[in-house]
Amino acid sequence: ETGVTQSPTHLIKTRGQQVTLRCSSQSGHNTVSWYQQALGQGPQFIFQYYREEENGRGNFPPRFSGLQFPNYSSELNVNALELDDSALYLCASSSLAGAKNTEAFFGQGTRLTVV
Amino acid sequence: AQKITQTQPGMFVQEKEAVTLDCTYDTSDPSYGLFWYKQPSSGEMIFLIYQGSYDQQNATEGRYSLNFQKARKSANLVISASQLGDSAMYFCATLSLGGSARQLTFGSGTQLTVLP
Repeated sequence: ETGVTQSPTHLIKTRGQQVTLRCSSQSGHNTVSWYQQALGQGPQFIFQYYREEENGRGNFPPRFSGLQFPNYSSELNVNALELDDSALYLCASSSLAGAKNTEAFFGQGTRLTVV
Repeated sequence: AQKITQTQPGMFVQEKEAVTLDCTYDTSDPSYGLFWYKQPSSGEMIFLIYQGSYDQQNATEGRYSLNFQKARKSANLVISASQLGDSAMYFCATLSLGGSARQLTFGSGTQLTVLP
């Protein structure tokens, strides 16, 4: 196990609703990244948080937003849910203080279904 | 922009045999890293192996080795002595080492099935 925990593990929401997903990073890691993985595809980068600031963003609309807290845990918020938002959402923690080749440790993901 | 191509949607291998999973990449970054991850049905992405673009030798981690051919922009994963527990989805990913954000770009994956 990596020490990265995500909650909840599964979630069902209705189109138009809002959802908050949570991630606790591994001890000593100051960076959290979020990825969306649609069924049958590879993960796609949503955004990254470093020291409570957004530090990079992929091609996702503003209704995808996030937070990072002083203890480096993080939340992903999605507003106005659409059916295409149904996916596995993965959180990865790493340390930007070290070399870039330190691997990112992933959690087990939150499987979101929008109906 | 970076792109990863994995052309094998599914692969089968006999237990104890070796298998090669293909990965080609496209990047304009002068310095980059290449990763392989394993994703079992539980969903967690498990780091397997890393190769830096300036590393002279191919990376190895136990039964995993990365066949890095920079001129051909390929980074194939070789798994030796396959085990039943190796059955999973495998993703190749790249990371630019020049930027501040740690943004992994993944391929579409290869589903490996190890046969008894």
